[in-house]
Parts: sequence; C-alpha cells; structure tokens
Amino acid sequence: DQQVKQNSPSLSVQEGRISILNCDYTNSMFDYFLWYKKYPAEGPTFLISISSIKDKNEDGRFTVFLNKSAKHLSLHIVPSQPGDSAVYFCAASLPNTGNQFYFGTGTSLTVIP
Amino acid sequence: GAVVSQHPSRVICKSGTSVKIECRSLDFQATTMFWYRQFPKQSLMLMATSNEGSKATYEQGVEKDKFLINHASLTLSTLTVTSAHPEDSSFYICSAKKDSVTTEAFFGQGTRLTVV
Repeated sequence: DQQVKQNSPSLSVQEGRISILNCDYTNSMFDYFLWYKKYPAEGPTFLISISSIKDKNEDGRFTVFLNKSAKHLSLHIVPSQPGDSAVYFCAASLPNTGNQFYFGTGTSLTVIP
Repeated sequence: GAVVSQHPSRVICKSGTSVKIECRSLDFQATTMFWYRQFPKQSLMLMATSNEGSKATYEQGVEKDKFLINHASLTLSTLTVTSAHPEDSSFYICSAKKDSVTTEAFFGQGTRLTVV
C-alpha cells in the first residue's frame, strides 16, 4: 500500500520559471516530510524538510508547502536551473519510528535551458 | 552534511552466489542504519532497520534469511544477499541518521546489483 504518492512521473520546465512538484499522502499520522533529490546511479541527497506543525518552509530557491487537511505537500523551485534536473522524491515519517521513511515514486524534473 | 559511503557501487554476480554490500558512515557514528531497495520507476522501499549490536528489524515481506544484515560497529552495516537470483537484481541504498535529534537521513550512493 503506497502511503506516499507522487502522481506525476515527469515534469519539464523552462529555465528561470517555477517548478512545482506535488506529493500526496494517506496517513494522517505522518509528522515530518522531506524532499530528496536523486541523480542517476547515486543515492538521494536531502533537499528540504517540513514538520507537520508548519505549513511552509523556505530555503533559498526551494520552498515546501504543507496542506495537512488535504494531505498534500509541494516543492517549489524558483527560479529553476538546468542543474535542478533530477528525480525528486518526497518522503514522510511517523513519530517515534527511528526515522523510517516512506517514499513516493519520484518525479523526474527536466529543466530546459 | 554527513557522509555515508556505500560499496560497491555496481556488482554483477552469478545466480546462486552471495553478495555483500557495505555501508559506512565516514564522519559520524550511526547507531541506526536503514536499507532500502528501489525497483525501476518505483519508490525506495524500506527493507530493514539495522541497529548496532542487535538484530536487524525487517519489514513485512522481506526474507531475513535471504537478506542478512549485520551492524557490527557504529560506522558499518553490511547487507548480504544470499543465494542471489535474477529477481534480486535491483538498486540497494543504505542510509544513516546522524543522531537521535536530527530527523534527516544521509544516504549512500547506492549499489546496483545485477544477478545473471
């Protein structure tokens, strides 16, 4: 049962424009959400996170929004750069579970120069 | 950020043989490490949680006798795929948490296992 879903397998955006990656989850007990970026043949690298007590977290060009009532989070990248082209995974964790993550299936972002 | 090193990055083995994958935290001690498996175009699926000095905790559906996990020290966890079969071919990734406060995990670069 996929508790974290990324319904868009791919996304293409022009350089300089905004990239919006979406993620939905089903378990209302998740209390922490993260976005990871992954290049081919490499492990994921942490990008940005948000606690369930917040609805927005910003770090430079990256902003994550959390809508708990809709069980939805999104990652905004502004402005998008060609180096942002990668697969983005959202992940969620439950409280007191030793940091076990539930990952979405990933969205492949291509930023066109 | 913290560094987690995984070795080897790629391995090809014959069906029926065993393969060991190492995961090391290079600049921190990790009491807990995690092993994931990723099938093509699918998400990373947690296989097991590796605890230093104790038995690993396996997720439902993961064969503990097939995927042997050993966490012998605070900086090293190993995953051994025993009697490998072609269906075990996959991308295996480990992760480690820096401390009990930090929520983010640091991932190794992954191991592409191909069983022929």
